[in-house]
Amino acid sequence: KNEVEQSPQNLTAQEGEFITINCSYSVGISALHWLQQHPGGGIVSLFMLSSGKKKHGRLIATINIQEKHSSLHITASHPRDSAVYICAVNPNAGKSTFGDGTTLTVKP
Amino acid sequence: DGGITQSPKYLFRKEGQNVTLSCEQNLNHDAMYWYRQDPGQGLRLIYYSQIVNDFQKGDIAEGYSVSREKKESFPLTVTSAQKNPTAFYLCASRLGGAGNQPQHFGDGTRLSIL
Repeated sequence: KNEVEQSPQNLTAQEGEFITINCSYSVGISALHWLQQHPGGGIVSLFMLSSGKKKHGRLIATINIQEKHSSLHITASHPRDSAVYICAVNPNAGKSTFGDGTTLTVKP
Repeated sequence: DGGITQSPKYLFRKEGQNVTLSCEQNLNHDAMYWYRQDPGQGLRLIYYSQIVNDFQKGDIAEGYSVSREKKESFPLTVTSAQKNPTAFYLCASRLGGAGNQPQHFGDGTRLSIL
């Protein structure tokens, strides 16, 4: 079993829909990182959080440390949100562990 | 602007050949990392370095080598011992080695076999 599990693996939505991507992990962590990978391969950092909730524009990330679970929400989704979303956990020892990613396709 | 630069963007390797992927950062970050990404899979750690002149093996170090002679540079050599090198390679850096700092990523190098 992977230390970091993401769901769903693939997600297709219509423009305007509310999107939720989930991440569950099995190790103790100092922080959790949500990343966005564009079709060309470059990776952009979206959020880093260790408790509670963070919001940036249409993106919201939440984490529940007790349940070892985080969610990434996208409100009013748009075709330009189409990308692979990756959850990474930073264990207390320092090295990151990555989920396999969720491929999101938003259709106009 | 500060960032991480990987080169080349595309690289082709012949059988039995060593190739070197470049990674340079001007963020003054201490820690640097090399990851391999295969289609549909998560990033896997090849090597990492938390300080100049020191580096550690990651989960899939066999067939790869690195050096960290300068803080800003962390080149990765894919040796002929790596029998399945076709993949997307990502370099990242972080301000400190501790887990509460975000990693910054380069745009990647796509390596293929000729």
